[in-house]
Parts: sequence; C-alpha cells; structure tokens
Amino acid sequence: EPEVTQTPSHQVTQMGQEVILRCVPISNHLYFYWYRQILGQKVEFLVSFYNNEISEKSEIFDDQFSVERPDGSNFTLKIRSTKLEDSAMYFCASSVESLSSYNEQFFGPGTRLTVL
Amino acid sequence: KQEVTQIPAALSVPEGENLVLNCSFTDSAIYNLQWFRQDPGKGLTSLLLIQSSQREQTSGRLNASLDKSSGRSTLYIAASQPGDSATYLCAVVDYKLSFGAGTTVTVRA
Repeated sequence: EPEVTQTPSHQVTQMGQEVILRCVPISNHLYFYWYRQILGQKVEFLVSFYNNEISEKSEIFDDQFSVERPDGSNFTLKIRSTKLEDSAMYFCASSVESLSSYNEQFFGPGTRLTVL
Repeated sequence: KQEVTQIPAALSVPEGENLVLNCSFTDSAIYNLQWFRQDPGKGLTSLLLIQSSQREQTSGRLNASLDKSSGRSTLYIAASQPGDSATYLCAVVDYKLSFGAGTTVTVRA
C-alpha cells in the first residue's frame, strides 16, 4: 500500500542552524501539508501546498519557514534559523485532491526535530 | 476559528471494559471527522473517517458516531485490550485538519 515517507526520523541541530525536513508524498497525490506537534501539545497545521504554491498557512508559518517541491517526488520544509521552540515532531501529509468529504489526508511517520 | 475539545484527557479501565471517548467541535462546517491513534513518540495512525453526511462508521471493535449539528463525535472501543493503550486524537476537516489534544487511554490487564 502506498505511504508517505519522511526523512530523517530524528534530526538534532544547534540553535540558529538551518534544517530541511524531507517528505515523499504518495505518488498520485497533488496536495501536500505540514503539521507539527510540540511535546505534550496538540498537532497544529502549518501549511498546505498545491501546484507549486502555498494555498493556506497558519500564523505559526512565519518567514523562518519555507516549503518547496524541488522535484517530482520530494516535498521539503525548511527552517532557516532554528530556535529552541522549534523542537517538535513534524508530520507531512498528502491528499489526492483538496480536502472534501471524499478525500482523506495520509500522514507520514514524522521527523522529530531537537534544537539544542 | 475551529476549536476541538476531547474529554476526558485520560482514562484508565480494566481489560474487557468498553471505552467511550468524546470529541466536540465549535464550527459544524466540516467535510469530515477523523479519529487517529498515537503511540508515545510515534506517528498518527488513522482509525476511522466519518464523512459529514454520515452518522456512523465502524471498523472491527471500533465505532464512531458524528452529530454535526451539535458538534460532537464519539469513539466507542468494544472489549478493550491492553494493546489499545494509546492516545486517541480526533480531527475535524475543512481545508486542513484541526486536532483535539487527545484522550490517553490505559487498559489494565
């Protein structure tokens, strides 16, 4: 069964460094998403992406964050200058079409980011 | 802004007991509602998806109901087992998923 994959599973970085989290969505999916979960808190929406453009973003997704689809298979989240509070689990998701009653998002296993 | 609340925050039951997990949401303009399971430090496993036009969805020992007009969903797990111990999250879907904080379930052997 097709699945969303994410690499790395765990990333440790120093404060102020740039990190890139990678995701490979399901191959025929057109809509891509990033969520994050700070330890002990709710899963929060960051951004949705379609047709090489951001379609929606939350207030969390500030200028420190960017997303890209650099080729036909990868979808990346970049954090330019990491802060301690960026430590979280980051989940990638994808869907065939825009969300509706008939479309479901499929989640990857997550990347745990630890900022020291 | 959509707010999703899950009650209780934690639940401990003996093996064999039925579980009832509650989810409420403030904006009924949703496409569907999804229940997930999350084990400690792990990802999200989708359990059930209820479309907005549906009242109920079943998968094995799991049954979820949806009352959009009152902004409520309930997840029932029949005959609980120690392997059901996990955090259960509900998420309502419009252009994104809005998650509740979860109910952490412990099933005692």
